[in-house]
Amino acid sequence: EPEVTQTPSHQVTQMGQEVILRCVPISNHLYFYWYRQILGQKVEFLVSFYNNEISEKSEIFDDQFSVERPDGSNFTLKIRSTKLEDSAMYFCASSAGSQSGELFFGEGSRLTVL
Amino acid sequence: GESVGLHLPTLSVQEGDNSIINCAYSNSASDYFIWYKQESGKGPQFIIDIRSNMDKRQGQRVTVLLNKTVKHLSLQIAATQPGDSAVYFCAETQGGKLSFGAGTTVTVRA
Repeated sequence: EPEVTQTPSHQVTQMGQEVILRCVPISNHLYFYWYRQILGQKVEFLVSFYNNEISEKSEIFDDQFSVERPDGSNFTLKIRSTKLEDSAMYFCASSAGSQSGELFFGEGSRLTVL
Repeated sequence: GESVGLHLPTLSVQEGDNSIINCAYSNSASDYFIWYKQESGKGPQFIIDIRSNMDKRQGQRVTVLLNKTVKHLSLQIAATQPGDSAVYFCAETQGGKLSFGAGTTVTVRA
């Protein structure tokens, strides 16, 4: 069964460092997303991406965040200068269409900022 | 403010009983309402969705009910099994953006 894969599963970094989280969406999907989940809290929308550009972003997704689809398979989230409050689980998701809510999520990348 | 939320943070259910998980929403313009399940250490997993112009939809052992009059969404799980233990999130989508509620932790007692 096709799945969304994410790397690394866990990353520990120092405050102020740059972090890149990587995702391989399901191959025939066209819509890509990043969500985050702070421990014990709900899943929060960060950004959606379609046709090589951001289609929507939340207020969380400020200038420190960027996304990129560098090739035909990877979808990355970069945090330029990490803060303590960026510590969270980051989930990548993809979908075939944009209208229904059926997203396929990866297992997540846990980011710990010290 | 939040557009979706759940009534209770936890629910304990006897194995074999039916579970009902509730959710209230405020955004009447949502296109779809969805239920996701999240097991410990994993990403959210799609369970079932319902289009905003429907009031009931059934899947395998699950039923979603939508009451637009009172802006209420529920998920019914028939014959709850130990594997149903997880956090359940309701979510709504408008224009492709998925917004999650706070989650209900369901624990199945043997």
